[in-house]
Amino acid sequence: DSGVTQTPKHLITATGQRVTLRCSPRSGDLSVYWYQQSLDQGLQFLIQYYNGEERAKGNILERFSAQQFPDLHSELNLSSLELGDSALYFCASSVVGNSGSTDTQYFGPGTRLTVL
Amino acid sequence: DQQVKQNSPSLSVQEGRISILNCDYTNSMFDYFLWYKKYPAEGPTFLISISSIKDKNEDGRFTVFLNKSAKHLSLHIVPSQPGDSAVYFCAARSFSGTYKYIFGTGTRLKVLA
Repeated sequence: DSGVTQTPKHLITATGQRVTLRCSPRSGDLSVYWYQQSLDQGLQFLIQYYNGEERAKGNILERFSAQQFPDLHSELNLSSLELGDSALYFCASSVVGNSGSTDTQYFGPGTRLTVL
Repeated sequence: DQQVKQNSPSLSVQEGRISILNCDYTNSMFDYFLWYKKYPAEGPTFLISISSIKDKNEDGRFTVFLNKSAKHLSLHIVPSQPGDSAVYFCAARSFSGTYKYIFGTGTRLKVLA
């Protein structure tokens, strides 16, 4: 158990809909990262938040957005869903997230999104 | 453009033998490399890492080798155990204002008893 929790575990929805994925980081971790893993693909970095502020952006679509709340949990919002958005979405957390030292990311178990 | 490539989607090894997982990268500015292991229905877990200023890092049965001139990274597991059966991802860190991690597509290792 990494200490990172993600809800829900599975989500099935229809095209055009909007969903929210939730992540609670490990206790004490200030950074949260979101990744997408599509079939046979590596983990694609989407976005990182540090202590409530957006820190880094990856290949995140404009239809997707995220935020980190004062209690440090984070939500990833996916809207106008398309079939190609079906994937595993992982959240990870780390202590700092912008350090030259080894700042290990701890991953949650993921949310499997299926868009029909 | 896949900057981190794991060209072998799968690998089978006999228990007790060496497992060698490979990773190639294209960006010479990567400063840090990591290996993660992933079991089904779980998130990836950190395994071992290496800084770009080193060429080898060892942790128990796991050793990571870095060949910067070849832009090649490998993970050696000796001896391999059935519990090592998992998907292994290599990742590389780049810095351009902030740190970002780029992951490969993974190699599924199966250790046969």
